[in-house]
Amino acid sequence: QKEVEQDPGPLSVPEGAIVSLNCTYSNSAFQYFMWYRQYSRKGPELLMYTYSSGNKEDGRFTAQVDKSSKYISLFIRDSQPSDSATYLCAMSSSRWVRNTPLVFGKGTRLSVIA
Amino acid sequence: GAVVSQHPSWVICKSGTSVKIECRSLDFQATTMFWYRQFPKQSLMLMATSNEGSKATYEQGVEKDKFLINHASLTLSTLTVTSAHPEDSSFYICSVGGEAGYTFGSGTRLTVV
Repeated sequence: QKEVEQDPGPLSVPEGAIVSLNCTYSNSAFQYFMWYRQYSRKGPELLMYTYSSGNKEDGRFTAQVDKSSKYISLFIRDSQPSDSATYLCAMSSSRWVRNTPLVFGKGTRLSVIA
Repeated sequence: GAVVSQHPSWVICKSGTSVKIECRSLDFQATTMFWYRQFPKQSLMLMATSNEGSKATYEQGVEKDKFLINHASLTLSTLTVTSAHPEDSSFYICSVGGEAGYTFGSGTRLTVV
């Protein structure tokens, strides 16, 4: 079993839909969870950063972490064509995030159709 | 978060030549930088951890002599792909860790012909 599992998609939704992206993980030591957005031929861009369990909201984006189920989610409300990208989840067990490499999911390709 | 500049954005080189990719942390003194490789429709694969003033730490299966990493200052790490071959064609991305996650460079698309 891989440390982080993420359905690669592709996922296609109509504009305005609510999008749900998910990752599961096996390492119970993970405590720091991130979601990145990556446009084609670009570096990943940090969207959300959460610590431990709970919810975090930022505009149209909501990140949820359920450590008991080892499951994290990213919700996108009122999806726009500009949200079309690959979304990667990433995790770390170390408090010293800056010196410890992240473990990434494979990424989910999302297409929002106008 | 940190501001990271990566250069060049894309490069085409002949088989057997070497290519240098630069990663600069513009507003943050980074003792550690990370180099990733990404194949089409695949996730990021960590290649090595670049440590300022010391040797890089390479992941299993990554050839140290082929992918030379130099982190001579707190703001600059370089990755040199030596004697490049077509199978080295890929998307290379650097990143810098911060207090709230990592910042990635814009990536370098290497094509070896």
